[in-house]
Amino acid sequence: GQNIDQPTEMTATEGAIVQINCTYQTSGFNGLFWYQQHAGEAPTFLSYNVLDGLEEKGRFSSFLSRSKGYSYLLLKELQMKDSASYLCASLDSNYQLIWGAGTKLIIKP
Amino acid sequence: GAVVSQHPSRVICKSGTSVKIECRSLDFQATTMFWYRQFPKQSLMLMATSNEGSKATYEQGVEKDKFLINHASLTLSTLTVTSAHPEDSSFYICSARDIRGSGDSYEQYFGPGTRLTVT
Repeated sequence: GQNIDQPTEMTATEGAIVQINCTYQTSGFNGLFWYQQHAGEAPTFLSYNVLDGLEEKGRFSSFLSRSKGYSYLLLKELQMKDSASYLCASLDSNYQLIWGAGTKLIIKP
Repeated sequence: GAVVSQHPSRVICKSGTSVKIECRSLDFQATTMFWYRQFPKQSLMLMATSNEGSKATYEQGVEKDKFLINHASLTLSTLTVTSAHPEDSSFYICSARDIRGSGDSYEQYFGPGTRLTVT
């Protein structure tokens, strides 16, 4: 079967660093997406990884290990506006996105 | 950047009536559009995949006669919730994939969502 696992909720402090992990098992693999979703809004694209390694984009970085079926999203210099849900999604062999349940990130001052 | 619009953003309807939601890709062509439903504090649930000019592919458990999808052009897909009931109240989100999407570019561009309340 297809499965995406990520923590339900995480809490971090403003200015700190947080890492959100995601493990996946899908029928085929064509890449791993991370999306950010604020409450009541649609998801917005953060990153896409298809090769092993770390992709850095400003305060956000995303890592992929295909052999381990593992990815993480790293958020640095956390700001209050980063409070949101972070969705991990794997692109399967049919190029369909298989979504995780999302990780709700709470930022405290 | 790629922009997807949805209309309406919010709608309240009475039980038993039908509601149509439009999803448009504004600055790109989309052969494939996706319709999702999201209940409070839950993740996205894919309802159906809509391909331009052909019938939509519905996920297991989604009634195709209740949720009518039409993808008549490369920039427009519509979802009609027929005979709506209070349990259909949810946040409906569409996304579109650029026609030029290839192996490293299967990003889905999301519309802003439609909040449906059935009374």
